[in-house]
Amino acid sequence: AQKITQTQPGMFVQEKEAVTLDCTYDTSDQSYGLFWYKQPSSGEMIFLIYQGSYDEQNATEGRYSLNFQKARKSANLVISASQLGDSAMYFCAMREEDTGRRALTFGSGTRLQVQP
Amino acid sequence: DSGVTQTPKHLITATGQRVTLRCSPRSGDLSVYWYQQSLDQGLQFLIQYYNGEERAKGNILERFSAQQFPDLHSELNLSSLELGDSALYFCASSIGTSGRLTDTQYFGPGTRLTVL
Repeated sequence: AQKITQTQPGMFVQEKEAVTLDCTYDTSDQSYGLFWYKQPSSGEMIFLIYQGSYDEQNATEGRYSLNFQKARKSANLVISASQLGDSAMYFCAMREEDTGRRALTFGSGTRLQVQP
Repeated sequence: DSGVTQTPKHLITATGQRVTLRCSPRSGDLSVYWYQQSLDQGLQFLIQYYNGEERAKGNILERFSAQQFPDLHSELNLSSLELGDSALYFCASSIGTSGRLTDTQYFGPGTRLTVL
């Protein structure tokens, strides 16, 4: 079974609008971390935001927020006030702490295109 | 700039050859991870080193090997190269503190390998 599922291969959003990128995960660990990375066309992977499984509040970093619904095993990324520079691939990733697997497991990504 | 450096940026070689990819982690980071990003397999974890010792292995082929040196830089060696090894290879680093969920991995710019 897929550990990280991103069901939206591509998304379009108008500049200045908000957009939600979906991510669901599958783990039996009690302790895990969820991450979002951005990959622009230049190729680098840029860390955006982190949510720990024990965090009671949703994480926020500037225009990025993570809508964490633990019971539903979802960790959706919300980008507010989209900018043209937000056009990129976005990857959701998980690290499972209980199993000692500290490497990241990535989803297949969502390509976001921001339109003027 | 994540603080993680990778060289070379691009590498073009022929089947059957051997190449070495180099990574310098962020200052203070003890853990180095290698990932492969290809169109058909997505982002996959290859191997992790912590303070000079191998810590975890992922989907790394036997033709591939890695090491982390006393100065904490790491090298990924790919031998008997095949067309299917063409991919973007990322190095990521983190502090590596065990049990710390917020041990964010920061990625280097990647090395794009093309096997002809």
